[in-house]
Amino acid sequence: DSGVTQTPKHLITATGQRVTLRCSPRSGDLSVYWYQQSLDQGLQFLIQYYNGEERAKGNILERFSAQQFPDLHSELNLSSLELGDSALYFCASSGRSGPGELFFGEGSRLTVL
Amino acid sequence: DQQVKQNSPSLSVQEGRISILNCDYTNSMFDYFLWYKKYPAEGPTFLISISSIKDKNEDGRFTVFLNKSAKHLSLHIVPSQPGDSAVYFCAASPLRRPDKLIFGTGTRLQVFP
Repeated sequence: DSGVTQTPKHLITATGQRVTLRCSPRSGDLSVYWYQQSLDQGLQFLIQYYNGEERAKGNILERFSAQQFPDLHSELNLSSLELGDSALYFCASSGRSGPGELFFGEGSRLTVL
Repeated sequence: DQQVKQNSPSLSVQEGRISILNCDYTNSMFDYFLWYKKYPAEGPTFLISISSIKDKNEDGRFTVFLNKSAKHLSLHIVPSQPGDSAVYFCAASPLRRPDKLIFGTGTRLQVFP
């Protein structure tokens, strides 16, 4: 158990819809990262928040947005969903360990039909 | 443009033998390298890391070797155990920045009795 909690674990929706994925980081970790893993791809960095502020942005589409709340949980919002958005979305946190070491949640599997 | 490449999608090894997983990178700015292990339905978990100032790092049965001139790193597992069966991702970053972490596509290791 990494201590990072993600909900929901599975989500099936239709094209054009909007979904929200939620992440609670490990206790005490201030940084939250979102990654996307499409079929047969590596994990693609989307965005990082640190203590409520956006810290870094990766290959995140404009249709996607995220935020980190005062209690440090984070939400990733995906809108105008397309078939290609089907993927595993991982949240990770870091803070107390080595700077490159991330602790991942179990992921949210999104299927867009 | 894949900056971190794991050219072997899968590897099958007999229990007790050595498993060698390989990873190549192209960006000479990378100076911190990590291996993550992922079981089905779980998030990746940190396994071992190495800084570019070293060429070897060992942790129990796991050893990571770094060849900077060849831009190549490898993970050795000795002896391999059935519980090591998982997908292994290598990752690299410059300046130990987690937001710059680039993951490979993974190698599925199967250890059979």
